[in-house]
Amino acid sequence: AAGVIQSPRHLIKEKRETATLKCYPIPRHDTVYWYQQGPGQDPQFLISFYEKMQSDKGSIPDRFSAQQFSDYHSELNMSSLELGDSALYFCASSPPGGETQYFGPGTRLLVL
Amino acid sequence: AQSVTQLDSHVSVSEGTPVLLRCNYSSSYSPSLFWYVQHPNKGLQLLLKYTSAATLVKGINGFEAEFKKSETSFHLTKPSAHMSDAAEYFCVVSEGGGGNKLTFGTGTQLKVEL
Repeated sequence: AAGVIQSPRHLIKEKRETATLKCYPIPRHDTVYWYQQGPGQDPQFLISFYEKMQSDKGSIPDRFSAQQFSDYHSELNMSSLELGDSALYFCASSPPGGETQYFGPGTRLLVL
Repeated sequence: AQSVTQLDSHVSVSEGTPVLLRCNYSSSYSPSLFWYVQHPNKGLQLLLKYTSAATLVKGINGFEAEFKKSETSFHLTKPSAHMSDAAEYFCVVSEGGGGNKLTFGTGTQLKVEL
């Protein structure tokens, strides 16, 4: 069965650079969620999109923005990167009317 | 606001013995509860979910969990641990009430010894 696809899987950036993370949800899923998991931490909700509109917002820094496109894929844009942004970034998707979120493998971001 | 508390940060069992990972929840709504597992350097895999149907929920790999409203608990159990069960386990609550963002517990690291 198709799963959530995230790219890239690994990313190394310098401080103050920008990064773009991509997420391709499971086919026919209409809701996408982004989570950040710091080293040794539990995942923290950042933001979600339903039918291309932002549906909820969590602890997402103002330096970050995200959107969902017409094909339902989503991109998380991160600017002015800081050392503390080094983390595993997960994307999850859920089907119409469904509550269960299915997670991608994550993008590991390292900021040097 | 919803939250979950995982009572043990580390649990160590011998292979073939029972596993118990404890979780208590707090929610303003009738909660939806999940257990996810994360193997080292891997993503999050759904083990099982409770969404107000049967209170005893069976998941993958022989795991099950029982929703106890009176105790606000959702403990994860398995009769016999296997080496491959060694991983981090997260108890998770969904906001519900129209919002679906997940709130994770702090995780329980399960170690399985020979």
